[in-house]
Amino acid sequence: GIQVEQSPPDLILQEGANSTLRCNFSDSVNNLQWFHQNPWGQLINLFYIPSGTKQNGRLSATTVATERYSLLYISSSQTTDSGVYFCAVEKWGKLQFGAGTQVVVTP
Amino acid sequence: DTAVSQTPKYLVTQMGNDKSIKCEQNLGHDTMYWYKQDSKKFLKIMFSYNNKELIINETVPNRFSPKSPDKAHLNLHINSLELGDSAVYFCASSQDKSFGELFFGEGSRLTVL
Repeated sequence: GIQVEQSPPDLILQEGANSTLRCNFSDSVNNLQWFHQNPWGQLINLFYIPSGTKQNGRLSATTVATERYSLLYISSSQTTDSGVYFCAVEKWGKLQFGAGTQVVVTP
Repeated sequence: DTAVSQTPKYLVTQMGNDKSIKCEQNLGHDTMYWYKQDSKKFLKIMFSYNNKELIINETVPNRFSPKSPDKAHLNLHINSLELGDSAVYFCASSQDKSFGELFFGEGSRLTVL
C-alpha cells in the first residue's frame, strides 16, 4: 500500500511562532487532506488539497503532487492550534492516514 | 446542529459483552465510514458504505458488523468484546465514495475491561 510519512513527529512552539509540517507520500494520489485533532479528540477537516495552494486564516497548505509531498503552514500560532495534525491521501479507493504531527503551543 | 453525530461518546464494558455505536449524518452525503483510532493515534479505516451498500471492508474481525439502514445512518455492532477492541471509533461521511472532503463525528471511546 501507499506509505504516508509526516514530519516532524512532535513540535513545541511558543505562541506567535510560525511552523511548517510536512507530508510525504510514496505514490501518486487522487487527493490529499489535512486534519486537525484537537486535545478533546475532535477531528476537523482543514484542507482538501490534491494540488496547489490554499489558505484559511492563519493556516495554509501546498501540495506538489508531482514531487509527492504536501506542506501545512501555521503562522502566528495560538494555543488553540495545539493537537495532532494528520495528512491523509487517497489511492485505489482508500484513504491512508499518516501517523500525525503532535503540536504543542505554549503561552 | 451537529453534522455527523455518534452515540454513545463513552462506553465502558466487560470482555465478552456485545455493544453498538450509532452514527447519523445530516449533510446529505452518500458515503459513510467507520475508522478506528488506536492508543498511538493511528487512524485506520474499517468499513465504508455508499448508499447503504458496503464498498470497503478491511481485515476486521467478524465480530464487527456494520449496518446501514439508510444512507444517513451507519451503525457498528461489536460482538464478544475483547481487550484489544479498546479504542476510539470515529464515524465519518463524504459526498461520494471517492473520498471527497471527509467530515468526522466526535468519536466514541470504547473501553473494554
